[in-house]
Amino acid sequence: AQSVTQLGSHVSVSEGALVLLRCNYSSSVPPYLFWYVQYPNQGLQLLLKYTTGATLVKGINGFEAEFKKSETSFHLTKPSAHMSDAAEYFCAVTGYSSASKIIFGSGTRLSIRP
Amino acid sequence: GAGVSQSPSNKVTEKGKDVELRCDPISGHTALYWYRQSLGQGLEFLIYFQGNSAPDKSGLPSDRFSAERTGGSVSTLTIQRTQQEDSAVYLCASSVGQENSPLHFGNGTRLTVT
Repeated sequence: AQSVTQLGSHVSVSEGALVLLRCNYSSSVPPYLFWYVQYPNQGLQLLLKYTTGATLVKGINGFEAEFKKSETSFHLTKPSAHMSDAAEYFCAVTGYSSASKIIFGSGTRLSIRP
Repeated sequence: GAGVSQSPSNKVTEKGKDVELRCDPISGHTALYWYRQSLGQGLEFLIYFQGNSAPDKSGLPSDRFSAERTGGSVSTLTIQRTQQEDSAVYLCASSVGQENSPLHFGNGTRLTVT
């Protein structure tokens, strides 16, 4: 079984500051991990994903995430926040099987201060 | 090409009535998910269809909820005897069915039970 915990339901940073959104997972099998983003009044879209191979994954809009097996974490970062990054971010996990469903975290709302 | 289509986009119903929510996935996508999104609750998994396999219904919150997928394409989520706590946005997503495949989300159906 898989589960996801996102620490912090709301994160606020200044424009230009580092963005760090935390995600920890639990999985009984090697995981696939995802970050999705939901901009205001829009549907969810994939930001990035980790499957196998390189543990540092780069996504759209300058975001990246690092898979750390020892810490069971997949935190999302961006060096410099932009006003357009304001959105809800969801971490998700699934297992190495097409029968394994995708489970989402509770989401983190990112606000950007001018 | 066409994305995931959900209808209706908004539904207001009286407590105790039955409702049906429809999802048209992307053509050729074998996997189909239903999620429920409530304020502060993130994306709650409801049900997962994968090809011809038996659906994973482990997320359905009560026996008032059911879903079917006809011909491996269109899916209908039915809520019987609706309650106020059923008010939420119901999201459908589909994918090509591999475990690392990204989900493509519809815009959701906003259900309000009065």
